[in-house]
Amino acid sequence: GNSVTQMEGPVTLSEEAFLTINCTYTATGYPSLFWYVQYPGEGLQLLLKATKADDKGSNKGFEATYRKETTSFHLEKGSVQVSDSAVYFCALSVRLRSNDYKLSFGAGTTVTVRA
Amino acid sequence: GAVVSQHPSRVICKSGTSVKIECRSLDFQATTMFWYRQFPKQSLMLMATSNEGSKATYEQGVEKDKFLINHASLTLSTLTVTSAHPEDSSFYICSARVAGGQDTQYFGPGTRLTVL
Repeated sequence: GNSVTQMEGPVTLSEEAFLTINCTYTATGYPSLFWYVQYPGEGLQLLLKATKADDKGSNKGFEATYRKETTSFHLEKGSVQVSDSAVYFCALSVRLRSNDYKLSFGAGTTVTVRA
Repeated sequence: GAVVSQHPSRVICKSGTSVKIECRSLDFQATTMFWYRQFPKQSLMLMATSNEGSKATYEQGVEKDKFLINHASLTLSTLTVTSAHPEDSSFYICSARVAGGQDTQYFGPGTRLTVL
Protein backbone atom coordinates (compact mmCIF):
# COMPACT_ATOMS: atom_id res chain seq x y z
CA GLY A 1 0.00 0.00 0.00
CA ASN A 2 0.86 3.67 0.00
CA SER A 3 2.29 5.26 3.11
CA VAL A 4 4.37 8.17 4.32
CA THR A 5 6.73 8.17 7.27
CA GLN A 6 8.06 11.43 8.56
CA MET A 7 10.32 12.46 11.36
CA GLU A 8 8.67 12.61 14.74
CA GLY A 9 8.61 15.89 16.53
CA PRO A 10 8.37 18.15 18.17
CA VAL A 11 11.31 20.05 16.78
CA THR A 12 12.45 23.22 18.54
CA LEU A 13 14.94 25.54 16.90
CA SER A 14 16.39 28.98 17.33
CA GLU A 15 15.84 31.64 14.70
CA GLU A 16 18.21 31.40 11.74
CA ALA A 17 18.93 27.73 12.43
CA PHE A 18 18.88 25.08 9.69
CA LEU A 19 15.77 22.92 9.52
CA THR A 20 15.48 19.41 8.11
CA ILE A 21 12.39 17.23 8.36
CA ASN A 22 12.87 13.73 7.01
CA CYS A 23 10.18 12.06 4.93
CA THR A 24 10.21 8.65 3.28
CA TYR A 25 7.46 6.91 1.38
CA THR A 26 6.26 3.63 -0.03
CA ALA A 27 3.99 3.67 -3.03
CA THR A 28 2.79 1.65 -5.94
CA GLY A 29 3.29 3.41 -9.21
CA TYR A 30 4.76 6.88 -9.55
CA PRO A 31 3.50 9.24 -6.87
CA SER A 32 3.59 12.99 -6.69
CA LEU A 33 5.05 14.26 -3.42
CA PHE A 34 3.96 17.23 -1.36
CA TRP A 35 4.74 19.21 1.73
CA TYR A 36 1.83 20.95 3.41
CA VAL A 37 2.03 23.38 6.34
CA GLN A 38 -0.63 23.92 8.99
CA TYR A 39 -0.55 27.00 11.19
CA PRO A 40 -2.38 26.88 14.55
CA GLY A 41 -6.14 26.66 14.16
CA GLU A 42 -6.02 26.69 10.38
CA GLY A 43 -6.33 24.28 7.49
CA LEU A 44 -3.46 23.03 5.38
CA GLN A 45 -1.57 25.12 2.88
CA LEU A 46 0.43 23.66 0.05
CA LEU A 47 4.06 24.51 0.64
CA LEU A 48 5.70 22.77 -2.30
CA LYS A 49 5.40 19.75 -4.56
CA ALA A 50 7.38 17.55 -6.92
CA THR A 51 5.86 15.28 -9.53
CA LYS A 52 8.74 13.13 -10.71
CA ALA A 53 12.14 11.81 -9.71
CA ASP A 54 14.90 14.42 -9.23
CA ASP A 55 12.38 17.28 -9.27
CA LYS A 56 13.03 19.93 -6.65
CA GLY A 57 10.11 21.78 -5.13
CA SER A 58 10.77 25.14 -3.51
CA ASN A 59 8.79 27.92 -1.88
CA LYS A 60 9.38 30.54 0.83
CA GLY A 61 12.95 29.36 1.33
CA PHE A 62 11.92 25.73 1.78
CA GLU A 63 13.19 23.03 -0.57
CA ALA A 64 12.65 19.32 -1.06
CA THR A 65 14.01 16.98 -3.74
CA TYR A 66 12.19 13.89 -4.99
CA ARG A 67 14.69 11.04 -4.50
CA LYS A 68 13.39 7.87 -6.09
CA GLU A 69 16.47 5.81 -5.20
CA THR A 70 16.01 6.46 -1.49
CA THR A 71 12.21 6.98 -1.67
CA SER A 72 12.61 10.25 0.20
CA PHE A 73 11.39 13.83 0.07
CA HIS A 74 13.17 15.61 2.92
CA LEU A 75 12.19 19.20 3.67
CA GLU A 76 14.93 21.77 4.30
CA LYS A 77 15.24 25.44 5.07
CA GLY A 78 18.53 27.18 5.61
CA SER A 79 17.45 29.88 8.05
CA VAL A 80 14.15 29.57 9.88
CA GLN A 81 12.07 32.40 11.31
CA VAL A 82 9.60 32.50 14.19
CA SER A 83 6.81 32.68 11.60
CA ASP A 84 7.81 29.20 10.36
CA SER A 85 6.44 27.67 13.56
CA ALA A 86 3.76 25.26 12.38
CA VAL A 87 2.98 21.61 11.75
CA TYR A 88 4.46 20.22 8.55
CA PHE A 89 2.91 17.28 6.70
CA CYS A 90 4.57 15.20 4.04
CA ALA A 91 2.12 13.60 1.61
CA LEU A 92 1.97 11.57 -1.56
CA SER A 93 -0.65 11.38 -4.25
CA VAL A 94 -1.19 8.30 -6.35
CA ARG A 95 -3.55 7.96 -9.27
CA LEU A 96 -6.09 5.28 -8.40
CA ARG A 97 -7.81 5.22 -11.76
CA SER A 98 -8.56 7.64 -14.51
CA ASN A 99 -8.52 11.15 -13.07
CA ASP A 100 -8.89 9.88 -9.50
CA TYR A 101 -6.17 10.73 -7.01
CA LYS A 102 -5.86 10.09 -3.30
CA LEU A 103 -3.54 11.79 -0.80
CA SER A 104 -1.79 9.87 1.94
CA PHE A 105 -0.34 11.94 4.77
CA GLY A 106 2.46 11.47 7.20
CA ALA A 107 1.79 11.99 10.90
CA GLY A 108 2.99 15.60 10.87
CA THR A 109 5.98 17.26 12.53
CA THR A 110 5.50 20.17 14.89
CA VAL A 111 8.18 22.82 14.51
CA THR A 112 8.66 25.63 17.00
CA VAL A 113 11.12 28.41 16.27
CA ARG A 114 12.24 30.57 19.19
CA ALA A 115 13.45 34.14 18.82
CA GLY B 1 -5.83 31.59 -6.90
CA ALA B 2 -7.08 28.17 -5.75
CA VAL B 3 -8.87 29.37 -2.62
CA VAL B 4 -11.17 27.07 -0.69
CA SER B 5 -13.49 28.35 2.01
CA GLN B 6 -15.40 26.55 4.73
CA HIS B 7 -18.37 27.66 6.73
CA PRO B 8 -18.80 27.79 9.63
CA SER B 9 -15.31 27.98 11.09
CA ARG B 10 -16.58 26.89 14.50
CA VAL B 11 -19.81 25.31 15.61
CA ILE B 12 -21.07 24.12 18.97
CA CYS B 13 -24.18 21.97 19.06
CA LYS B 14 -26.13 19.76 21.40
CA SER B 15 -25.96 16.01 21.23
CA GLY B 16 -28.56 14.60 18.83
CA THR B 17 -28.71 17.57 16.50
CA SER B 18 -27.41 17.73 12.93
CA VAL B 19 -24.74 20.09 11.67
CA LYS B 20 -24.02 21.10 8.09
CA ILE B 21 -20.57 22.25 6.96
CA GLU B 22 -20.08 23.92 3.60
CA CYS B 23 -16.97 23.77 1.46
CA ARG B 24 -16.62 26.14 -1.49
CA SER B 25 -13.99 26.57 -4.16
CA LEU B 26 -13.96 30.33 -4.69
CA ASP B 27 -12.00 30.86 -7.88
CA PHE B 28 -11.94 27.50 -9.63
CA GLN B 29 -14.16 24.59 -10.50
CA ALA B 30 -13.66 21.45 -8.48
CA THR B 31 -14.97 18.21 -9.89
CA THR B 32 -13.65 16.41 -6.84
CA MET B 33 -13.73 17.47 -3.21
CA PHE B 34 -12.46 15.57 -0.20
CA TRP B 35 -13.50 15.56 3.43
CA TYR B 36 -10.98 14.89 6.17
CA ARG B 37 -11.15 14.60 9.91
CA GLN B 38 -8.29 15.59 12.16
CA PHE B 39 -7.96 14.70 15.83
CA PRO B 40 -5.79 16.84 18.12
CA LYS B 41 -2.11 16.59 17.27
CA GLN B 42 -2.77 13.92 14.67
CA SER B 43 -2.70 13.69 10.94
CA LEU B 44 -5.62 13.99 8.59
CA MET B 45 -7.87 11.03 8.06
CA LEU B 46 -9.70 10.89 4.73
CA MET B 47 -13.40 10.34 5.29
CA ALA B 48 -14.81 10.49 1.80
CA THR B 49 -14.28 11.61 -1.76
CA SER B 50 -17.03 13.65 -3.33
CA ASN B 51 -17.51 13.94 -7.07
CA GLU B 52 -19.87 16.51 -8.52
CA GLY B 53 -23.19 15.01 -9.48
CA SER B 54 -22.54 11.55 -8.09
CA LYS B 55 -22.56 9.71 -4.79
CA ALA B 56 -19.62 10.15 -2.48
CA THR B 57 -17.11 7.37 -1.96
CA TYR B 58 -16.55 6.68 1.72
CA GLU B 59 -13.42 5.28 3.30
CA GLN B 60 -13.60 2.07 5.23
CA GLY B 61 -15.05 2.56 8.68
CA VAL B 62 -16.81 5.85 7.91
CA GLU B 63 -20.59 5.68 8.31
CA LYS B 64 -22.21 7.12 5.21
CA ASP B 65 -25.57 7.52 6.95
CA LYS B 66 -23.98 9.57 9.69
CA PHE B 67 -21.77 11.73 7.51
CA LEU B 68 -23.92 12.83 4.58
CA ILE B 69 -22.07 14.38 1.69
CA ASN B 70 -23.61 16.32 -1.14
CA HIS B 71 -21.66 17.76 -4.07
CA ALA B 72 -24.37 19.59 -5.95
CA SER B 73 -22.22 21.93 -8.02
CA LEU B 74 -18.66 22.38 -9.23
CA THR B 75 -17.97 24.85 -6.43
CA LEU B 76 -19.87 23.50 -3.44
CA SER B 77 -19.80 20.37 -1.33
CA THR B 78 -21.55 19.94 2.01
CA LEU B 79 -20.94 17.56 4.90
CA THR B 80 -23.81 16.98 7.30
CA VAL B 81 -23.06 15.30 10.60
CA THR B 82 -26.38 13.72 11.56
CA SER B 83 -27.43 13.06 15.14
CA ALA B 84 -24.11 14.32 16.41
CA HIS B 85 -22.54 12.90 19.55
CA PRO B 86 -19.60 14.12 21.64
CA GLU B 87 -17.30 11.61 19.95
CA ASP B 88 -17.97 13.40 16.65
CA SER B 89 -16.24 16.49 18.03
CA SER B 90 -13.27 17.12 15.81
CA PHE B 91 -11.66 19.39 13.24
CA TYR B 92 -13.17 18.79 9.80
CA ILE B 93 -11.22 19.91 6.76
CA CYS B 94 -12.27 19.86 3.15
CA SER B 95 -10.10 20.06 0.08
CA ALA B 96 -10.76 20.51 -3.60
CA ARG B 97 -8.96 19.38 -6.70
CA VAL B 98 -8.90 21.59 -9.76
CA ALA B 99 -10.87 20.15 -12.66
CA GLY B 100 -8.65 18.99 -15.47
CA GLY B 101 -6.48 16.25 -14.09
CA GLN B 102 -4.17 18.04 -11.66
CA ASP B 103 -3.40 16.00 -8.56
CA THR B 104 -2.84 18.93 -6.19
CA GLN B 105 -5.46 19.43 -3.50
CA TYR B 106 -6.21 22.85 -2.03
CA PHE B 107 -7.48 22.88 1.52
CA GLY B 108 -10.09 24.88 3.34
CA PRO B 109 -9.38 26.49 6.72
CA GLY B 110 -11.26 23.80 8.62
CA THR B 111 -14.33 23.68 10.86
CA ARG B 112 -14.07 23.01 14.57
CA LEU B 113 -17.11 20.99 15.68
CA THR B 114 -17.85 20.64 19.38
CA VAL B 115 -20.78 18.47 20.42
CA LEU B 116 -21.96 18.96 23.99
